Amino acid sequence: KNEVEQSPQNLTAQEGEFITINCSYSVGISALHWLQQHPGGGIVSLFMLSSGKKKHGRLIATINIQEKHSSLHITASHPRDSAVYICASQQAYTDKLIFGTGTRLQVFP
Amino acid sequence: DGGITQSPKYLFRKEGQNVTLSCEQNLNHDAMYWYRQDPGQGLRLIYYSQIVNDFQKGDIAEGYSVSREKKESFPLTVTSAQKNPTAFYLCASSTPITGLGEQFFGPGTRLTVL
Repeated sequence: KNEVEQSPQNLTAQEGEFITINCSYSVGISALHWLQQHPGGGIVSLFMLSSGKKKHGRLIATINIQEKHSSLHITASHPRDSAVYICASQQAYTDKLIFGTGTRLQVFP
Repeated sequence: DGGITQSPKYLFRKEGQNVTLSCEQNLNHDAMYWYRQDPGQGLRLIYYSQIVNDFQKGDIAEGYSVSREKKESFPLTVTSAQKNPTAFYLCASSTPITGLGEQFFGPGTRLTVL
């Protein structure tokens, strides 16, 4: 059974700090997704990656296929980054996702 | 603008009533999904459809029903058989399986059963 675990569950930071959120999964996958959920509930897809590293603005996502591990980094964090960050694994030959429980990030000025 | 719309944002129903949640997309995506989110839990898949007039049960389909008569629309009915229907419901769509596309999410509907 594919399981996705995230850590930490909750994270607080001061504005400007470097943030890392970790995600581990248990079976081989075709892609790993990072999503952002704001307090209103809407979800935005941040990254979909199957190898290496992707960068978008201050966000960086990395994945290590051998270790079944992915990280989401936020550089120079800002209060507007406060949200729940969710990772989800996508198994091969399917577009179904298995979701982690999310990491709640709060960035204070 | 292309996207996914869900309506209403908040919905209140009395216990024992069926209720239908709307999901519409204009992204021309073949695949559509319904998820349920409960506090402290990851999103769980209720139903999904990869093509018009076809859909499959997800992990927690009991007490729910769907239809896919049009590519753009994938309504979810929460029936009275669903034991604990109060939750946040999210609809999503994606490009076909062969494209392994990212999923685009709607804004969600928060259902409260009184």
